[in-house]
Amino acid sequence: KAGVTQTPRYLIKTRGQQVTLSCSPISGHRSVSWYQQTPGQGLQFLFEYFSETQRNKGNFPGRFSGRQFSNSRSEMNVSTLELGDSALYLCASSLRQFTGELFFGEGSRLTVL
Amino acid sequence: GIQVEQSPPDLILQEGANSTLRCNFSDSVNNLQWFHQNPWGQLINLFYIPSGTKQNGRLSATTVATERYSLLYISSSQTTDSGVYFCAGVIKAAGNKLTFGGGTRVLVKP
Repeated sequence: KAGVTQTPRYLIKTRGQQVTLSCSPISGHRSVSWYQQTPGQGLQFLFEYFSETQRNKGNFPGRFSGRQFSNSRSEMNVSTLELGDSALYLCASSLRQFTGELFFGEGSRLTVL
Repeated sequence: GIQVEQSPPDLILQEGANSTLRCNFSDSVNNLQWFHQNPWGQLINLFYIPSGTKQNGRLSATTVATERYSLLYISSSQTTDSGVYFCAGVIKAAGNKLTFGGGTRVLVKP
């Protein structure tokens, strides 16, 4: 059974640009959640999607958004990039929302110059 | 605020040694999990352990939910055990968000 797939793995953007990251969950998993990891703030919850609906959101500005498609694949978008958005973005999937075991992808490492 | 504290923050072990990592929660927690982050950044699921004790090879974990803590035991450590270990849990008081500890960085020396 394939794991969680995130694309792209690495990307470099400049301030003011926007970026879209993709996450394909494990087959059969309907919940996808996103996390940001930085050296200063550690691992922080961004949002969770279940059945194409955002079920929960972390404390991030509106520049961070996401969506989930009918096949459970999810995308997150960051607009008007800032230097502080440089981070490892991790996606996780699980069978159920809020509960259950999480399985993470390899992450998308974003560098903002 | 809601806190997940991991101790120790750093741990240096000689190969073959045993160690215990601890995770304390400031509020009631569900769905407690332990992860190992590999050098490429991926979080590898070690244990899903809302309560009780589980073992997987040289690793084992115990969660005492009523006392809001979990322990991860590494026995006969190997250099491949090096990396950062995170605990995380869903805390209702934090809005049902998965909250991570700050991690324990483990270095196993040959």
